[in-house]
Amino acid sequence: AQSVTQPDIHITVSEGASLELRCNYSYGATPYLFWYVQSPGQGLQLLLKYFSGDTLVQGIKGFEAEFKRSQSSFNLRKPSVHWSDAAEYFCAVANQGGKLIFGQGTELSVKP
Amino acid sequence: GAVVSQHPSWVICKSGTSVKIECRSLDFQATTMFWYRQFPKQSLMLMATSNEGSKATYEQGVEKDKFLINHASLTLSTLTVTSAHPEDSSFYICSATQTATNTGELFFGEGSRLTVL
Repeated sequence: AQSVTQPDIHITVSEGASLELRCNYSYGATPYLFWYVQSPGQGLQLLLKYFSGDTLVQGIKGFEAEFKRSQSSFNLRKPSVHWSDAAEYFCAVANQGGKLIFGQGTELSVKP
Repeated sequence: GAVVSQHPSWVICKSGTSVKIECRSLDFQATTMFWYRQFPKQSLMLMATSNEGSKATYEQGVEKDKFLINHASLTLSTLTVTSAHPEDSSFYICSATQTATNTGELFFGEGSRLTVL
C-alpha cells in the first residue's frame, strides 16, 4: 500500500538558515511525488512535483527537492528561510488516477 | 494556473442539520474531483473520488450515506454532510484534475471549515 512518512512533526529554524524537510514514501511503482504548503486556515499550494527525469526538482519560492529512489526519499530544501515560509508542509504521493496520499505534515516555525 | 473555488469558506451549523459544500473549477473542466478531510493539526485524508456523471468512490471507513457527493457537471462537485454532528467538524478540501491520467494537473480549493454546534 502507498504511504508517506514525514518524520518531523515540528521544526524550528532561524531566519536565513537553511532548511531540509524529510519525506519517505512507500509505493510499488514509479511514484509521482509532491510537496504542498498550507498556511493556517488555508488550502494547499503546490511547491513542486516530481514525475520523472532529473531527480533534483526546482519549485516556487526558492524550494527544491531531490528524489532518491534508493532511499525512497523526496526531501524538501531551501538554502535560506524567510519568516513568511512559516507554515505546514505536506509531502504526498499519487497514483496515475490523481489520488493523493499525504504525509502527516511538518510544521515549520521561523525564528527572527 | 487553474482555479478551484470552494463555497462556503466557513460554515457553522446546528447538530442534526445538513450542510452542502460546493467545489467549482472556474476555468477548466474537471473530469475528476477529490474530497479530503483534515482534522486540526493532522494531515489530509482522502474521503472520496468523484467522477462527473457517475457515483463517487468512497475510501474505506467513510460513510457514503453521511457524506453525499454529487458531480453533476464538469465544473461542479458538491459534498453534503447529512445530519451533522460535532465530530463532523473539520476542514474539508476538494481538488480537481483536468484529465484522469495526468496527475500534474491537480488543483486544490481553499477549503471549507465546518463547525457543528
